[in-house]
Amino acid sequence: AQKVTQAQTEISVVEKEDVTLDCVYETRDTTYYLFWYKQPPSGELVFLIRRNSFDEQNEISGRYSWNFQKSTSSFNFTITASQVVDSAVYFCALSGGSNYQLIWGAGTKLIIKP
Amino acid sequence: DADVTQTPRNRITKTGKRIMLECSQTKGHDRMYWYRQDPGLGLRLIYYSFDVKDINKGEISDGYSVSRQAQAKFSLSLESAIPNQTALYFCATSDPLVDPTGANVLTFGAGSRLTVL
Repeated sequence: AQKVTQAQTEISVVEKEDVTLDCVYETRDTTYYLFWYKQPPSGELVFLIRRNSFDEQNEISGRYSWNFQKSTSSFNFTITASQVVDSAVYFCALSGGSNYQLIWGAGTKLIIKP
Repeated sequence: DADVTQTPRNRITKTGKRIMLECSQTKGHDRMYWYRQDPGLGLRLIYYSFDVKDINKGEISDGYSVSRQAQAKFSLSLESAIPNQTALYFCATSDPLVDPTGANVLTFGAGSRLTVL
């Protein structure tokens, strides 16, 4: 069975600190995709990144970076020099199998204090 | 205007009432989805539709029904609402033509918060 675990329910840091959100997944599929979505206080979910199982290169986009490690079944998300606007709930999700439906983690609420 | 519009944004109703949540999109996407979000549980798929003639049950379809009236419209109904259907509901769309991987990127609506008393 597929599963996504975001063990950190809530993280609170002071602005400008770096913060890493953990995501651990379980799947028996050899081809799968991993996603991160952001849900700001306004409520709408926004796509951040998709990574397929054959691409283990880390990715950096501005202050955001993602570390994909198949050996530990993890796809962690780091925000460097956090800002108040980064405050949101962040979801990790896994897609695979015959129908590629998304399996979502429970989300991590990130609070950035000024 | 938003690409994916959900109405109503907030609704309070009583147990046993019939409720319809509507979703319309201007992105021209063939695929539409209804998700439910509960605190601490992430999102769970209720129903999805890959085109107007295709409707599929998701993980938690019991107590819900859907209608795909047109490519742009996908409605979710609760025939007889119960309190444990109190949740935040999201409609989403995706386009396999421009996103040929099996795992499409989803575009979400702003959500419909439903409270069943």
